[in-house]
Amino acid sequence: SAVISQKPSRDICQRGTSLTIQCQVDSQVTMMFWYRQQPGQSLTLIATANQGSEATYESGFVIDKFPISRPNLTFSTLTVSNMSPEDSSIYLCSVEDGTYEQYFGPGTRLTVT
Amino acid sequence: QKEVEQNSGPLSVPEGAIASLNCTYSDRGSQSFFWYRQYSGKSPELIMSIYSNGDKEDGRFTAQLNKASQYVSLLIRDSQPSDSATYLCAVNVKTSYDKVIFGPGTSLSVIP
Repeated sequence: SAVISQKPSRDICQRGTSLTIQCQVDSQVTMMFWYRQQPGQSLTLIATANQGSEATYESGFVIDKFPISRPNLTFSTLTVSNMSPEDSSIYLCSVEDGTYEQYFGPGTRLTVT
Repeated sequence: QKEVEQNSGPLSVPEGAIASLNCTYSDRGSQSFFWYRQYSGKSPELIMSIYSNGDKEDGRFTAQLNKASQYVSLLIRDSQPSDSATYLCAVNVKTSYDKVIFGPGTSLSVIP
């Protein structure tokens, strides 16, 4: 399975600011995903990011708030914009191997004060 | 609204017992089913995938799928304290595009 890294691993940010999370994969993948996991909750899909096309956002998530870039087959970024305390969460990227099996990065723990 | 539901936890079993985790899903068109294990403070880890009706065994883990009943389960034999984690059921769904949705998870505690 692919090895996935995320930066930063954690951050504490002030409300109204933005944070960009990076996801790097050690092999080329077509499908990358961004999830949010709030404390004690399951995973909520934010968007699917395919290289060369616009990200597909799930209901309740918009591009202005969570812009995503996917410049190549090994890298993606998720920006959390104009943050509020409600954005405090763990953000996870994942990749799919073509059979719907997903492999996750270690996550970014975000706290907004 | 396509959904995945899991038996509410937390589930506690003694060491050496069989832990049974259950999951139901609403999309009859789903063809791929997964179990992930998530330790506290860690990201989810894929432990089993199943695509056909019946049982699939991998070591102490057995996944069972019944598409007619829209039901998938995970059995953990000879449970160990190291199995204590949250187990997430995930199912592929087809909307305007393919994606995987996750259930709420079941917390398992194996008591030594």
